[in-house]
Amino acid sequence: DIQLTQSPSTLSASVGDRVTITCRASQSVGSWLAWYQQKPGKAPKLLIYKASTLEGGVPSRFSGSGSGTEFTLTISSLQPDDFATYYCQQYNNFPYTFGQGTKLEIK
Amino acid sequence: EVQLAESGGGLVQPGGSLRLSCAASGFNFNPYSLSWVRQAPGKGLEWVSHISSTRTIYYADSVKGRFTISRDNTKNSLYLQMNSLRAEDTAVYFCATDQRGDMDVWGPGTTVTVSS
Repeated sequence: DIQLTQSPSTLSASVGDRVTITCRASQSVGSWLAWYQQKPGKAPKLLIYKASTLEGGVPSRFSGSGSGTEFTLTISSLQPDDFATYYCQQYNNFPYTFGQGTKLEIK
Repeated sequence: EVQLAESGGGLVQPGGSLRLSCAASGFNFNPYSLSWVRQAPGKGLEWVSHISSTRTIYYADSVKGRFTISRDNTKNSLYLQMNSLRAEDTAVYFCATDQRGDMDVWGPGTTVTVSS
């Protein structure tokens, strides 16, 4: 199975900051990687698919990059609504796997 | 509006069974692939099972042989039959569309608690 490791596990930042979350895969997943945002008690929300394609309706301050085994999610200017937990997911092959999550907290 | 809605969760004893349902609305269900994903209390997301439009099926090792995924296109519904339940199956269970592999539409989830 492909393991995904996110870093950091927790990130403290302020409104207006630029933040980057990294997702590393134990083997290549090509560009078959997605990013999700989840708030407490809610279902995850798709932000990015195919490593860098922005899902419709997602603000342009979110961007994704990478291929192979290293990927990043960047939020260019944090807004109050962005404080949440973020997950990466690979769908290069089954079983699909998720990273352990990165909790983005208000500093 | 494209929507998924899970139901069927509840409290069940270890070794028991439960059947989850996921009702789809607002889109043509038949050609879509779908997955079940779960989240144990305070933990991350875990993919559970996938079924394609042609009924190709995959399971996580943690549920293989105990859980069965199925779909009824006439009812626009997805199911997860869960047998031999264990305490570690306690989680919120989500259904999601995964036509591309990423999961773009999610239901709100249903809670399964396995406890005596």
